[in-house]
Order: sequence, then structure tokens, then C-alpha cells
Amino acid sequence: QSVLTQPPSASGTPGQRVTISCSGSSSNIGSNAVNWYQHLPGTAPNLLIYGNDQRPSGVPDRFSGSKSGTSASLAISGLQSEDEADYYCETWDDSLNGVLFGGGTKLTV
Amino acid sequence: QVQLQESGPGLVKTSQTLSLTCTVSGASSGSGGYYWTWIRQHPGKGLEWVGNIHYSGSTYYNPSLKSRLSLSLDTSENQFSLKLTSVTAADTAVYYCARERVSGYHYGMDVWGQGTKVTVSS
Repeated sequence: QSVLTQPPSASGTPGQRVTISCSGSSSNIGSNAVNWYQHLPGTAPNLLIYGNDQRPSGVPDRFSGSKSGTSASLAISGLQSEDEADYYCETWDDSLNGVLFGGGTKLTV
Repeated sequence: QVQLQESGPGLVKTSQTLSLTCTVSGASSGSGGYYWTWIRQHPGKGLEWVGNIHYSGSTYYNPSLKSRLSLSLDTSENQFSLKLTSVTAADTAVYYCARERVSGYHYGMDVWGQGTKVTVSS
């Protein structure tokens, strides 16, 4: 079990909006920035959101991130078939003194 | 354009040492503001942080691997490396190297290598 808790799966139909949650604690999400990755099978993970809610250049604005307290969320609007992938949250943990990944959420479109 | 490329053996015998190298191109591994990171993914599982290293020499290791792990950085060759001793089948995974931007907070791994599959077997 990961210290950062994500739902194992999520689903939606094309055009819909889905959200993926990531729950942690005061030593990780509560005191550090949260980053999100998209991971397609056979490829390297891709940074989607950094610093809780910032998008790297090239990431569509359909992807958005937010954080409140010890939880964070990734929202994907206007779902497309190519969004079908695994999504991971990630942050630093002050107690562990290291990086944590959530367990991952498999999104089905 | 910054690129990372992992290299190393795809097969390692049980109890031996796994050694991987990540070659950085398009940027200097000696530049501040970044940690050079290793992540792995066991078959059918999620991402697991292995550890990272800064050009200053600071290292952070996953506590579950700390006793067996050593990371190093060669700025002259623009490479960073991983050594994991006494490997078992549980170390079988795809290993990724990545660049992590750090500015106060950890702002995510913005460049990744393609990943290299490592199998541990007797």
C-alpha cells in the first residue's frame, strides 16, 4: 500500500470530465507540492502537472490540478480516447526524506 | 532539448550487483536546480522512487533500498549511475532515470529516459 492513496481505476466517456484523487498526510501533500504524471504502457511517464496546479508547456489545458490540505486532485476535461493511461501523483515526504508516488490510477475512456 | 538514456545489463544474476548509467545530453548534470533521479516499475505495478543525487553530492535514498544502494554523479562525463548490491528477483523491474526540478519544493520529473528492463535471475 502506498502512503499516497489513489483510486485504482477511473473511467469516463469521450467529452466527459473526470477527476482522480490523491490522499496523503501532513508530512507529504500537506507541506509539499504535488506533481502528476501520465504513463502510457511501454513509454516513459510524462509530467502533466507540477507545483500542484502548473502545466508544463505542451500539456493541454484540459488537464488541471488542485490541492487542499492533505489531498490533491487531477481533473481531465473533454476526455479523449488517447487519455487512456495510468496516472500517478507524486510529492516529497518530510518524514521519509524522499519522494513518494501514489499507487496509480488506471483511466479507461 | 534535454535527453536521458539509460544503459546497463538487462540480466543480472541473483546476489550480484546491478549497475546502471544514465547519460545526459542537452544539459549539464552539474547545473544547480536539479536532482538526478532513479525510478523503477516492477512488472504490473506502479512507480517506485529509488533515489536521487544532486551535483553537490547530496543523495537521498528510498529507505527500503538504502542499505544496498549507491548513487554517483560524473559531471565530466555528464552521467549519473546506480549500483544496487545483493539483488534478488524482487529487483526485477524497468528502471528509469529522470531529471527532477527542485526550487524549494520538488517540482516534478520533467525529463525521463526511455527506461531499461532489468531481470534478476539465477
